[in-house]
Amino acid sequence: GAGVSQSPSNKVTEKGKDVELRCDPISGHTALYWYRQSLGQGLEFLIYFQGNSAPDKSGLPSDRFSAERTGGSVSTLTIQRTQQEDSAVYLCASSSFSGGDEQYFGPGTRLTVT
Amino acid sequence: SQQGEEDPQALSIQEGENATMNCSYKTSINNLQWYRQNSGRGLVHLILIRSNEREKHSGRLRVTLDTSKKSSSLLITASRAADTASYFCATDGGNLIFGKGTKLSVKP
Repeated sequence: GAGVSQSPSNKVTEKGKDVELRCDPISGHTALYWYRQSLGQGLEFLIYFQGNSAPDKSGLPSDRFSAERTGGSVSTLTIQRTQQEDSAVYLCASSSFSGGDEQYFGPGTRLTVT
Repeated sequence: SQQGEEDPQALSIQEGENATMNCSYKTSINNLQWYRQNSGRGLVHLILIRSNEREKHSGRLRVTLDTSKKSSSLLITASRAADTASYFCATDGGNLIFGKGTKLSVKP
């Protein structure tokens, strides 16, 4: 079956603009995660959705970052008034049930803020 | 705060040699997972070891877990150039928390 997909694969934007990144998880997966990875670094947890529960937003670095998951499926990560330090690869993952299960990753969106 | 820390940060070996990467963590876990990442893109799950397991094998991969020392190791035997990638451990104490990874380079 289809894996996790993300769009766009690359995004170049000017400082101060808003961007939206999209994630389509594996069908039937109830858990969805967003991570950020700066060059040569590990994964930084951003936000976690589990079913209809309130999302865990503890990793969002500032109030310029927000995410939603509509209908328990597709998720959108929005970054408002982008800054150069927001440049990174944004990775989405889904898993079949809970936070500790094997996660299936999308290919990521490489965001460059100029 | 970061939970898993991989060691070494970078490892360069010749094809055919074995590669060992280590992961240390700080708090109790339900399970520990190893992932592989090529070219800074999506991660691929390799193996999961539960807190009540000590060793697990999958093909050329061998993972050990020592909960008393809060550490795990990933051994790749008979390495190939295609194994060149970054390897991350992730610990589950609720959510997965990833380390910074070990960058493995296998030279043909």
